[in-house]
Amino acid sequence: AQSVTQLGSHVSVSEGALVLLRCNYSSSVPPYLFWYVQYPNQGLQLLLKYTSAATLVKGINGFEAEFKKSETSFHLTKPSAHMSDAAEYFCAVSSYGNNRLAFGKGNQVVVIP
Amino acid sequence: NAGVTQTPKFQVLKTGQSMTLQCAQDMNHNSMYWYRQDPGMGLRLIYYSASEGTTDKGEVPNGYNVSRLNKREFSLRLESAAPSQTSVYFCASSASGVLVGTEAFFGQGTRLTVV
Repeated sequence: AQSVTQLGSHVSVSEGALVLLRCNYSSSVPPYLFWYVQYPNQGLQLLLKYTSAATLVKGINGFEAEFKKSETSFHLTKPSAHMSDAAEYFCAVSSYGNNRLAFGKGNQVVVIP
Repeated sequence: NAGVTQTPKFQVLKTGQSMTLQCAQDMNHNSMYWYRQDPGMGLRLIYYSASEGTTDKGEVPNGYNVSRLNKREFSLRLESAAPSQTSVYFCASSASGVLVGTEAFFGQGTRLTVV
């Protein structure tokens, strides 16, 4: 079974500081990995995805993530936090032949002025 | 382009009542999903439909039934609502059940309260 672990349900970051959200996955076959963002009272929106091409993936709103097979990780970063980055972020995994997305528990990001 | 549309957006039910949550997508996607979101739990898969005419149980199917009415529509039914089913429900769709790696697109959610 595939799964994702996101530690730290709430993450506080100062405006202008680095945003780092950690995601570790478990999958018996090569995974496809996704980061989604959810703004208050909204659905989920795709930030970026890894599908076995480049290991460093760039997404929308200045976010990027690096796939590290040796560490089974897909951490999300943004060099400089903006107030508009306050939202909940979810890491998710799927794999070939398994048409399901398994989500982590999410990180609620608070940006401090 | 509407994407994934869910109705209703809000609903309050009494324990034991039944209701159907509707979902429709206009992206010609093969696969559709129902998730529930609870605080601190992330999103958990209730049921999914890899293609028209097929449905499969997800992680938390008890108390729910689904119907893939056609390629566009995938409904979720609560036959006898319980307070434990108070949650936010999301419908999603993706291009293909075989070509995984394509992202899922989500609706705006249905906030359901069972009293």
